Amino acid sequence: NAGVTQTPKFQVLKTGQSMTLQCAQDMNHEYMSWYRQDPGMGLRLIHYSVGAGITDQGEVPNGYNVSRSTTEDFPLRLLSAAPSQTSVYFCASSYTGQPSSGNTIYFGEGSWLTVV
Amino acid sequence: ILNVEQSPQSLHVQEGDSTNFTCSFPSSNFYALHWYRWETAKSPEALFVMTLNGDEKKKGRISATLNTKEGYSYLYIKGSQPEDSATYLCALSNSGNTPLVFGKGTRLSVIA
Repeated sequence: NAGVTQTPKFQVLKTGQSMTLQCAQDMNHEYMSWYRQDPGMGLRLIHYSVGAGITDQGEVPNGYNVSRSTTEDFPLRLLSAAPSQTSVYFCASSYTGQPSSGNTIYFGEGSWLTVV
Repeated sequence: ILNVEQSPQSLHVQEGDSTNFTCSFPSSNFYALHWYRWETAKSPEALFVMTLNGDEKKKGRISATLNTKEGYSYLYIKGSQPEDSATYLCALSNSGNTPLVFGKGTRLSVIA
């Protein structure tokens, strides 16, 4: 069972570089999202998608871009990396609509990103 | 943005002790509350999803209660074991159309 797969697991970027964090799920989940985890903070929502072709901003969207061309994939793009984007990033998915409907969220294993 | 507060921030207990911690939230417009368990270097795993006032859920030695009228949920661990050491996250939604908002978590360390 692959579940939610994130790549890369670790990445070091220089300020100003761009990169894409990949996320794929094989559970036919409609809802996918990206969170970041910083010391002393909870998981903060960056962007989310309730289905292919639909994306929306979360709490901290600035500096990030997403697209949802297929049900399975939800890549997160850092347009011009900044040290403030040093964080652990989690991709997550759930079966249908918003996870608040009662469906639990399944998380990927995280991507550790350092911007120097 | 919803304010989800978890307390304490961290907790150290001896093996065999029972413990509990709290998730507090605005009682108005409650829709659903989730508890997750997050071990270091792993992905968070769902423990419970609770939607009704008075809900009680149990999974092994871990249980949770929900009071939507006063805006809190308790997570209990009975007879803590070292493998219970993790961060426990609470997440809340106030409608069926908004994403979950997470608290900062309670970090539990169980000392053998």
